[in-house]
Amino acid sequence: GNSVTQMEGPVTLSEEAFLTINCTYTATGYPSLFWYVQYPGEGLQLLLKATKADDKGSNKGFEATYRKETTSFHLEKGSVQVSDSAVYFCALSDRNTGGFKTIFGAGTRLFVKA
Amino acid sequence: SQTIHQWPATLVQPVGSPLSLECTVEGTSNPNLYWYRQAAGRGLQLLFYSVGIGQISSEVPQNLSASRPQDRQFILSSKKLLLSDSGFYLCAWSVTPTGELFFGEGSRLTVL
Repeated sequence: GNSVTQMEGPVTLSEEAFLTINCTYTATGYPSLFWYVQYPGEGLQLLLKATKADDKGSNKGFEATYRKETTSFHLEKGSVQVSDSAVYFCALSDRNTGGFKTIFGAGTRLFVKA
Repeated sequence: SQTIHQWPATLVQPVGSPLSLECTVEGTSNPNLYWYRQAAGRGLQLLFYSVGIGQISSEVPQNLSASRPQDRQFILSSKKLLLSDSGFYLCAWSVTPTGELFFGEGSRLTVL
């Protein structure tokens, strides 16, 4: 079946450091890939998405490229801020009977120090 | 615009008591609806999803059940809660062709 594996956290960075959170997936079809972010005490929000191979999703300075050859969707940001501290989830969505089923990675907690 | 609400936000229940969490979506029709559970420090586990009224798919055998009595209403229930049911429950909806999810604020359940 489909699965998502992302790097374990927590990740601790200083402000303005470069961020990479690795994510790889296993899928039998042609899924869409997502990064969601969860701030403390809140639900999840969509951060960015990519729907086909070689697509690059971007939002708020974050980027991720859909790499079919390496089955990866790594999240990057050139200069993190304290406000980026949150839990980041990589996710895969595949069309199922009549709808979509989304599977999430375990999440990576990011701490950014001032 | 579309909105999603779930309640209650916080719930403390004794073992063996019943549970009802409710989720409603506004501003859209015929959404796919989902219940996820997030245990402390862990990822999201898909519990149930629904593609239409009365249509429920269960992903994990457990003592929870879900119902969809109306197009935009999704209810998570249990007749007898277990300690292991504690967690953060998230309702979500989707109508886009790519399956992106829109989440509610979450309901934190503590079973004592």
